Amino acid sequence: AQKITQTQPGMFVQEKEAVTLDCTYDTSDPSYGLFWYKQPSSGEMIFLIYQGSYDQQNATEGRYSLNFQKARKSANLVISASQLGDSAMYFCAMREEDQGAQKLVFGQGTRLTINP
Amino acid sequence: DSGVTQTPKHLITATGQRVTLRCSPRSGDLSVYWYQQSLDQGLQFLIQYYNGEERAKGNILERFSAQQFPDLHSELNLSSLELGDSALYFCASSVDLAGEFGTQYFGPGTRLLVL
Repeated sequence: AQKITQTQPGMFVQEKEAVTLDCTYDTSDPSYGLFWYKQPSSGEMIFLIYQGSYDQQNATEGRYSLNFQKARKSANLVISASQLGDSAMYFCAMREEDQGAQKLVFGQGTRLTINP
Repeated sequence: DSGVTQTPKHLITATGQRVTLRCSPRSGDLSVYWYQQSLDQGLQFLIQYYNGEERAKGNILERFSAQQFPDLHSELNLSSLELGDSALYFCASSVDLAGEFGTQYFGPGTRLLVL
């Protein structure tokens, strides 16, 4: 079963608009973490933002914020005032514990294109 | 720059060959992770080492092996390579074992092409 679902394979947004990238997750573990990474065309994976399952407030990092709705098991990434440099693949990931260690489980990604 | 380094950046080799990918974690990080990104499988966790010991295993083939050395750098060995092993291989590091206090920072990746 898919543990992380990103339903938008691609999104096109005008520069300076806000954009929301969807992510839903599935876990029965009460303690988990959710991450968003950006992968530009150059290939590197850039950490953007983190939300812990017990965090009371939604995480924010500059223009990035995470709309965390625990009951709905969603962790959408919001990018405000989009820029051309935001064009990239975006991956949602969940930290999954494995016998005291951890691994990240990734969604399939959303390709975001910012149009001038 | 995440502080995680990987070498080489690109690798082209033939089927049946063996290659070694190298990773140096961020200063102070004890955990190293390896991930494979391919077109058909997406991003998949392969293996985690913490302070020299293997701690978690994902969908890693028996032809693949890894280790973490006393200086905390890690190597991923891929042998009897097949065309389907062509992928982008990432190393990531974090400060702790279970991740409560740190996120995973990724290196730039090694792009492997098997011909």
